Amino acid sequence: KAGVTQTPRYLIKTRGQQVTLSCSPISGHRSVSWYQQTPGQGLQFLFEYFSETQRNKGNFPGRFSGRQFSNSRSEMNVSTLELGDSALYLCASHLGTPTYEQYFGPGTRLTVT
Amino acid sequence: SQQGEEDPQALSIQEGENATMNCSYKTSINNLQWYRQNSGRGLVHLILIRSNEREKHSGRLRVTLDTSKKSSSLLITASRAADTASYFCALRGGDDKIIFGKGTRLHILP
Repeated sequence: KAGVTQTPRYLIKTRGQQVTLSCSPISGHRSVSWYQQTPGQGLQFLFEYFSETQRNKGNFPGRFSGRQFSNSRSEMNVSTLELGDSALYLCASHLGTPTYEQYFGPGTRLTVT
Repeated sequence: SQQGEEDPQALSIQEGENATMNCSYKTSINNLQWYRQNSGRGLVHLILIRSNEREKHSGRLRVTLDTSKKSSSLLITASRAADTASYFCALRGGDDKIIFGKGTRLHILP
């Protein structure tokens, strides 16, 4: 079974631009979560989608948004990029049950200059 | 706010020794999970323990949970070089959000 894939793997953007990251979950997994990882703040929960609906959301500004498609693939978008948005963005998928094992993708390394 | 705090922040031990790391938290949880992250394999789920469980084993891993003390520990026995990584606890609370701790950096010395 193929793992979670994320594209692109690396991205360099300029302040003020916007970016869209993509995540393809493991086949059969209906839930996708997104996390931001930085050296200072560690791993922070962004949002979780289940069957195309946002089920949960972390404490991030509205510039961070996401969506999930009918095939469970998910995208997250960050608008008006700031230097502090430079981070590793991780996507995780799971079956969607309350007690679950998350499978993480390799991440997208975003650098904002 | 709810956040797992791992202790110690960093740990260096000789290969073959046991490694123990702890996670403390503040509010009630539904379950607690441990993850490992290294540069080669990314973030990998190790073990999940539910709030009504006290101990779980998986291979060389042993996890305990003490809900009265709001703490969990991860024991890695007979450590190997490949165990060098960062280890994170992740708490799933009543709001269903998963909150990760800052992690313990484990270094296995040859």
